[in-house]
Amino acid sequence: DAGVTQSPTHLIKTRGQQVTLRCSPKSGHDTVSWYQQALGQGPQFIFQYYEEEERQRGNFPDRFSGHQFPNYSSELNVNALLLGDSALYLCASSWGQGLGAFFGQGTRLTVV
Amino acid sequence: GESVGLHLPTLSVQEGDNSIINCAYSNSASDYFIWYKQESGKGPQFIIDIRSNMDKRQGQRVTVLLNKTVKHLSLQIAATQPGDSAVYFCAEIATGGGADGLTFGKGTHLIIQP
Repeated sequence: DAGVTQSPTHLIKTRGQQVTLRCSPKSGHDTVSWYQQALGQGPQFIFQYYEEEERQRGNFPDRFSGHQFPNYSSELNVNALLLGDSALYLCASSWGQGLGAFFGQGTRLTVV
Repeated sequence: GESVGLHLPTLSVQEGDNSIINCAYSNSASDYFIWYKQESGKGPQFIIDIRSNMDKRQGQRVTVLLNKTVKHLSLQIAATQPGDSAVYFCAEIATGGGADGLTFGKGTHLIIQP
């Protein structure tokens, strides 16, 4: 049974560019949440997708957007990248907007 | 804003000893708490959770204690092993308002001395 999978594992982008990160939830899960983790900090909630809609959003600008597909997988898009967007981006899945989220290994994004 | 925080950034213990990692939270609406373990280069790994209607929950070698009066949470790890070395985060969520993201503290780095 595959857990939460994310791709790519590492990514380097130039300031001003756009990036798309991908997540497949754990089998049986239908809810995907995205988190940003800066170095030495705890993860910060970006947003959550359930039934293909954004249900909750943290304190992140509109440059951060997402999508959930009918198979429950999800994408995180970040436009107009800033150096401060460099972080580990984590995807977590759960069932029915549920609790106790299971995390993927993350995508390490470096903006230069 | 309200947030979850940890008392110590680093905790060093001898192999075989018990470890206690503490966490303070300030959101009185929080009713569900989770402890995560994060090893270098990996995502957070679920360890144990507890709901606000409980004050203690035990797992395999781990115990979580919740004191709602002082808004304090702790994780006890028995007979600490080298593989327990990691950063430990507490996270909280207020479930009453519907779907909410987890709020994480900054983490405690647990170091196991041989």
